[in-house]
Amino acid sequence: QVQLQQWGAGLLKPSETLSLTCAVYGGSFSGYYWSWIRQPPGKGLEWIAEINHSGSTNYNSSLKSRVTMSVDTSKKQFSLKLSSVTAADTAVYYCARYFFDSYAKYYYGMDVWGQGTTVTVSS
Amino acid sequence: EIVLTQSPGTLSLSPGERATLSCRASQSVSSTYLAWYQQKPGQAPRLLIHGASSRATGIPDRFRGSGSGTDFTLTISRLEPEDFAVYYCQQYGGSPPYTFGQGTKLEI
Repeated sequence: QVQLQQWGAGLLKPSETLSLTCAVYGGSFSGYYWSWIRQPPGKGLEWIAEINHSGSTNYNSSLKSRVTMSVDTSKKQFSLKLSSVTAADTAVYYCARYFFDSYAKYYYGMDVWGQGTTVTVSS
Repeated sequence: EIVLTQSPGTLSLSPGERATLSCRASQSVSSTYLAWYQQKPGQAPRLLIHGASSRATGIPDRFRGSGSGTDFTLTISRLEPEDFAVYYCQQYGGSPPYTFGQGTKLEI
């Protein structure tokens, strides 16, 4: 059974860089897309970015200038960096996996999620 | 960016009743790109439906997704106590950002 385990600093000061890593256990790394989603306290879900095993990335345009994702296929890990954080970046951050069949144009949904990391930005 | 609007914001029902949750898109979304999730307090979202109407692995058949174009619906036929949670729709759309609706809270 595939599991995602994520970690990173939970308390940041404004202007610092958020750094999170997610490791994939028990399943294949290639063939999937690996995403980060966040959820501010009491609010809904916001997709941040994604990467595939070859390192191809997509970012939410609202965060694009501050976001970087990377992948380490040898360790089956992927990471998120968000620079110049402010209080508005306070949220629970989740990593997740999905499969997209490019021939059938079918999105199978985010079926495996990490446990979430609470990130608080405060001076 | 495709905006998804869910209604109602909160739905108050009792166990055994039927729940109907709506998700409306600001522009047409292929049904193969529409998913639904359930989230309970303190937990990560759980995939319920993909392809607008296909249940994810292990999801009971009381959960049914339907719809096309700009209007999608999640129906829970007979509510169980464990179904009271927040539900989100999400569109993939083939190009980012892959937006979520704002959620519908299903409460007792």
